[in-house]
Amino acid sequence: DTEVTQTPKHLVMGMTNKKSLKCEQHMGHRAMYWYKQKAKKPPELMFVYSYEKLSINESVPSRFSPECPNSSLLNLHLHALQPEDSALYLCASSQEQWQGADNEQFFGPGTRLTVL
Amino acid sequence: QQPVQSPQAVILREGEDAVINCSSSKALYSVHWYRQKHGEAPVFLMILLKGGEQKGHDKISASFNEKKQQSSLYLTASQLSYSGTYFCGTEPGFGNEKLTFGTGTRLTIIP
Repeated sequence: DTEVTQTPKHLVMGMTNKKSLKCEQHMGHRAMYWYKQKAKKPPELMFVYSYEKLSINESVPSRFSPECPNSSLLNLHLHALQPEDSALYLCASSQEQWQGADNEQFFGPGTRLTVL
Repeated sequence: QQPVQSPQAVILREGEDAVINCSSSKALYSVHWYRQKHGEAPVFLMILLKGGEQKGHDKISASFNEKKQQSSLYLTASQLSYSGTYFCGTEPGFGNEKLTFGTGTRLTIIP
């Protein structure tokens, strides 16, 4: 199974709502990532988890809160978002965080988030 | 600093060749290449490590010139399925283990 799954596919939320995005992989990967992608732009790294511990936070606003309950699951909790947070949120995983040989990232299909 | 890719966009006929360049202002340990089709997730193509190696599979190959901090992706005899946006992802080095994706190159193959 070389698949990363993400739910939901689409999410519309108001600025006062609390919602969560979910990501799952069963490849035994020890590194998991959240990226934000705006239309016609490259993915921008938000968070990296390595062995279930937060390794990198790219100065993301606190209204985004990541969580890694176990080695297969990654959540992104959303609260009090702004309209400019509307984007495609991609989850990815790789064997290890080290971006060496044979350490490709597998991406999920993403959650398209709209903040009203 | 985001790597800069060139060209920004290119349109080719089936069977023609394409070269996509990725240039970084930082010293690089590795370069990754991904292709993203519209509405889909990025898909891995290949990784090149420091050492100036060249890699390839099928009709897609890439080179990495660490001195120039550049990588190039070569697509030969392009097929319709090659259409999409290509991103390079660069890693500065050990101890900074994350990818920064380049500006992207939109490739359109027409029959």
